[in-house]
Amino acid sequence: NAGVTQTPKFRVLKTGQSMTLLCAQDMNHEYMYWYRQDPGMGLRLIHYSVGEGTTAKGEVPDGYNVSRLKKQNFLLGLESAAPSQTSVYFCASTTAYEQYFGPGTRLTVT
Amino acid sequence: EDKVVQSPLSLVVHEGDTVTLNCSYEVTNFRSLLWYKQEKKAPTFLFMLTSSGIEKKSGRLSSILDKKELSSILNITATQTGDSAIYLCAVFSGGGADGLTFGKGTHLIIQP
Repeated sequence: NAGVTQTPKFRVLKTGQSMTLLCAQDMNHEYMYWYRQDPGMGLRLIHYSVGEGTTAKGEVPDGYNVSRLKKQNFLLGLESAAPSQTSVYFCASTTAYEQYFGPGTRLTVT
Repeated sequence: EDKVVQSPLSLVVHEGDTVTLNCSYEVTNFRSLLWYKQEKKAPTFLFMLTSSGIEKKSGRLSSILDKKELSSILNITATQTGDSAIYLCAVFSGGGADGLTFGKGTHLIIQP
């Protein structure tokens, strides 16, 4: 039981490049989330999903897209990366009350 | 808009001291309040407090939920250098679909 995993762990992009972050969970959770964490800002919700095939916007969705084609996977895409998207990205999946976090992806956009 | 405020934002104490971290919230349809510890990686779960379970304790850590004051405290007694971390407070509200609303965290530093 690996819990929540994220790939890649680190990435450096140039402005305008695109990439996809992959989150996978093996706990059969319905709900999955993408957060970003910036210094002094805490964790902020980007997008979330309440089940396979569904997605919804969170607090800071602009510049990101997501897909949940399979229950165990939740993908976060950046179509045209900007320096403001430099951050640490955490994926999480949840039971009714507790969230389990992945190890994070550190993304730098130059 | 849901809001979670933690205080202090940072705290430096000496090993062996007792610390109290504060969290206050304004949310619709409160379901639970969670405390996490974050070192140089993902947050790790400490406690969950709900309306039916307002006090939790684990070793030197304990937490209380004050439903009337819409707040919670996290106490750490006999602090150790390994307690140095960012402590995050978060609240689940509504149907849980919106995820957690996080405070900005308290950066706790324990000096030997």
